[in-house]
Amino acid sequence: KAGVTQTPRYLIKTRGQQVTLSCSPISGHRSVSWYQQTPGQGLQFLFEYFSETQRNKGNFPGRFSGRQFSNSRSEMNVSTLELGDSALYLCASSGGTGGYTEAFFGQGTRLTVV
Amino acid sequence: DAKTTQPPSMDCAEGRAANLPCNHSTISGNEYVYWYRQIHSQGPQYIIHGLKNNETNEMASLIITEDRKSSTLILPHATLRDTAVYYCIVRVGVAGTYKYIFGTGTRLKVLA
Repeated sequence: KAGVTQTPRYLIKTRGQQVTLSCSPISGHRSVSWYQQTPGQGLQFLFEYFSETQRNKGNFPGRFSGRQFSNSRSEMNVSTLELGDSALYLCASSGGTGGYTEAFFGQGTRLTVV
Repeated sequence: DAKTTQPPSMDCAEGRAANLPCNHSTISGNEYVYWYRQIHSQGPQYIIHGLKNNETNEMASLIITEDRKSSTLILPHATLRDTAVYYCIVRVGVAGTYKYIFGTGTRLKVLA
């Protein structure tokens, strides 16, 4: 069974630009969550999507947004990038036909803002 | 805010059991404790989870105190490949929508 796939693995962007990250969950999983990991703040929850609806949101500014498609694939977007947005962005999928399962994480997208 | 407290680092001899403690004194009655580990900034890897009872799987055992205020992850025979940051996590939310509250983790170093 394929795991959670995140693309791209690495990105370098300039301040002020925007970026879109992609996440393909495990087949059959309908919940996708996003986390940001930085050396200073550790792992922090961004938001969670289920059946194309955002169900939960962390304490991040509105520059951070996401969406989920009908095939459960998800994207997150960060607009007007700041240096502090440099981080490892992790996507996790959970939930199969039997209900909630533990979350399985992808390898992450490392974003560097210069 | 993190709901868990872990020692920042621990060492363990290869082949010995690694016992990683975690305090979660403010955990609510329906909140699960999860353990994940992260190697070299890869994605966190699921290890085990529990609510009240002790749990065991092929990777580890989880011992939860009766008052649920703390737990211990046990890796029975640590190997060099177990060197990683181990996160004790409380899963919060209601049925159908959950999120993980990560703490700062314990950096476990397995020594040859």
